[in-house]
Amino acid sequence: SQQGEEDPQALSIQEGENATMNCSYKTSINNLQWYRQNSGRGLVHLILIRSNEREKHSGRLRVTLDTSKKSSSLLITASRAADTASYFCATDRSGYSTLTFGKGTMLLVSP
Amino acid sequence: DTEVTQTPKHLVMGMTNKKSLKCEQHMGHRAMYWYKQKAKKPPELMFVYSYEKLSINESVPSRFSPECPNSSLLNLHLHALQPEDSALYLCASSQPSSRVGSPLHFGNGTRLTVT
Repeated sequence: SQQGEEDPQALSIQEGENATMNCSYKTSINNLQWYRQNSGRGLVHLILIRSNEREKHSGRLRVTLDTSKKSSSLLITASRAADTASYFCATDRSGYSTLTFGKGTMLLVSP
Repeated sequence: DTEVTQTPKHLVMGMTNKKSLKCEQHMGHRAMYWYKQKAKKPPELMFVYSYEKLSINESVPSRFSPECPNSSLLNLHLHALQPEDSALYLCASSQPSSRVGSPLHFGNGTRLTVT
């Protein structure tokens, strides 16, 4: 299965701390994307990183990709209570945006 | 607010009912998707439309019937569903296929309960 596996499954931190989530996958990819989902709502795209890229930044988000290890990480710096959500990695094998989502990490940021 | 609008937000239907889920986007995207998400699980791809043509059907049972009447609208027709079909149904859209990948824009979903 192409499905990514995130770890940890759940993460609880205090506001101001950094949160790191990891994603592993099994086959070659064209790109990898990270999404956030607040409870019961749709997913929001965070970052897309292509297979020839190693690191990408967007505001407080930093994503790395290691294709040799088939893994990616999402770092959220200086977390806020509003960052509380589930975070999913999604792999795109072909580049045609047919995504396969990982199991997700539930992040809880306490004030 | 999301730029992909799904209606209704909630739907309760019996196993003999016929209902439809609707999705609309005005971002000029030419690829549209249906995903199904069970509680505490990741979204699972059901269908992909590209330029109003069905390009992917992930072996979805025929009681789910998608339709793309035009480039802005996507429907999912439901008939003779089972209680295990209860889930959050998510619609998404993206730029046309480009072989370099595009982010998906999701609606907030329709919470479906089959009784």
